[in-house]
Amino acid sequence: QKEVEQDPGPLSVPEGAIVSLNCTYSNSAFQYFMWYRQYSRKGPELLMYTYSSGNKEDGRFTAQVDKSSKYISLFIRDSQPSDSATYLCFMFSGGYNKLIFGAGTRLAVHP
Amino acid sequence: DGGITQSPKYLFRKEGQNVTLSCEQNLNHDAMYWYRQDPGQGLRLIYYSQIVNDFQKGDIAEGYSVSREKKESFPLTVTSAQKNPTAFYLCASSAAGTGSSPLHFGNGTRLTVT
Repeated sequence: QKEVEQDPGPLSVPEGAIVSLNCTYSNSAFQYFMWYRQYSRKGPELLMYTYSSGNKEDGRFTAQVDKSSKYISLFIRDSQPSDSATYLCFMFSGGYNKLIFGAGTRLAVHP
Repeated sequence: DGGITQSPKYLFRKEGQNVTLSCEQNLNHDAMYWYRQDPGQGLRLIYYSQIVNDFQKGDIAEGYSVSREKKESFPLTVTSAQKNPTAFYLCASSAAGTGSSPLHFGNGTRLTVT
């Protein structure tokens, strides 16, 4: 079993839909959780960074962390074609002991 | 404009040749990383460095070597010992400290070995 599981998709939604992207993990040592967006042939760019359980909102994006269930989510409201990309979850324990990326979910938002 | 520069964007080599990928950052970050990305496998950590003149192996270090002689630079050499070198290579950096800072990425080098 991988330490971080992420459904690779692809996920195809119509413009304006609410998108839910998820990762589960098995190691309770993970403390920091991030979501990156990666466009084709580009490096990942940081979208959201959370530490504690709960929700964090930034514009159309909401990151949710549930440490008791070892589950993190990224919600995208009013999705746009420009949101079409691969979304990677990333988590690590403090002190560089563990840094793990999910495999990434490919999202396509069609007009 | 602060950021991470990887060069070249595309690189082609013959099997059996060593090749060095460049990574430079002007973010004044202490920590730097090299990742390899293959389709369907996400990003896998090759090497990382928390400070100048020090670096640690990641999960897939075999067949790779690095150096960290300057804070701004962290070149990666793909040696002929690497069995499947064709991949997308990403360099990243982060502010050090407790190891809690997010990673900032360059735009990658796509290496093709034939």
